[in-house]
Amino acid sequence: GAVVSQHPSRVICKSGTSVKIECRSLDFQATTMFWYRQFPKQSLMLMATSNEGSKATYEQGVEKDKFLINHASLTLSTLTVTSAHPEDSSFYICSASKGPNYGYTFGSGTRLTVV
Amino acid sequence: AQKITQTQPGMFVQEKEAVTLDCTYDTSDPSYGLFWYKQPSSGEMIFLIYQGSYDQQNATEGRYSLNFQKARKSANLVISASQLGDSAMYFCAMSKGGDSSYKLIFGSGTRLLVRP
Repeated sequence: GAVVSQHPSRVICKSGTSVKIECRSLDFQATTMFWYRQFPKQSLMLMATSNEGSKATYEQGVEKDKFLINHASLTLSTLTVTSAHPEDSSFYICSASKGPNYGYTFGSGTRLTVV
Repeated sequence: AQKITQTQPGMFVQEKEAVTLDCTYDTSDPSYGLFWYKQPSSGEMIFLIYQGSYDQQNATEGRYSLNFQKARKSANLVISASQLGDSAMYFCAMSKGGDSSYKLIFGSGTRLLVRP
């Protein structure tokens, strides 16, 4: 079955620093990858959609310069939280898909804590 | 705009009994997909079941079935013979078919607790 690997699973960083989260599709080529953010006891909120080789499409209210998304290949997308602040602490989870009719495979998520 | 609504923040069910988790949706698109995911405390998203808007029959996957009522725009999840391991958050989600952005939008979720 389709597998998506997300790293790191947990990260603690100091306020003002940047942190990169990787999302890899291990056994399929992901046309599109999606990045979500989830606060405790809340739902998954879509942050952005990325297609290989093109700029990510951000949802309304998501800061493009703060949450940098790169989708350099069909198997790898990265989310970089720049100049992190404590309010950026959250659970970030990626999802990958081969196409509209192929469903979505989720990574295991990254719990980010900014201190 | 697309919208998914889950009106039950929390549900209890006795072990071995069936439970229905409600989901209603709103879209003007004729082509869409409906999904249910389970999220245990570990945070992973586990795919349970899928229903396409043009599917004539309700989807079933083992103990999971989806009660799809298109006219009412509802896609309730039925879990039969509940097990203790079913205790988790459950999310209903919708994707837009035939769209290059086919993003998946989630409802607010229902926390299910199975009692022994």
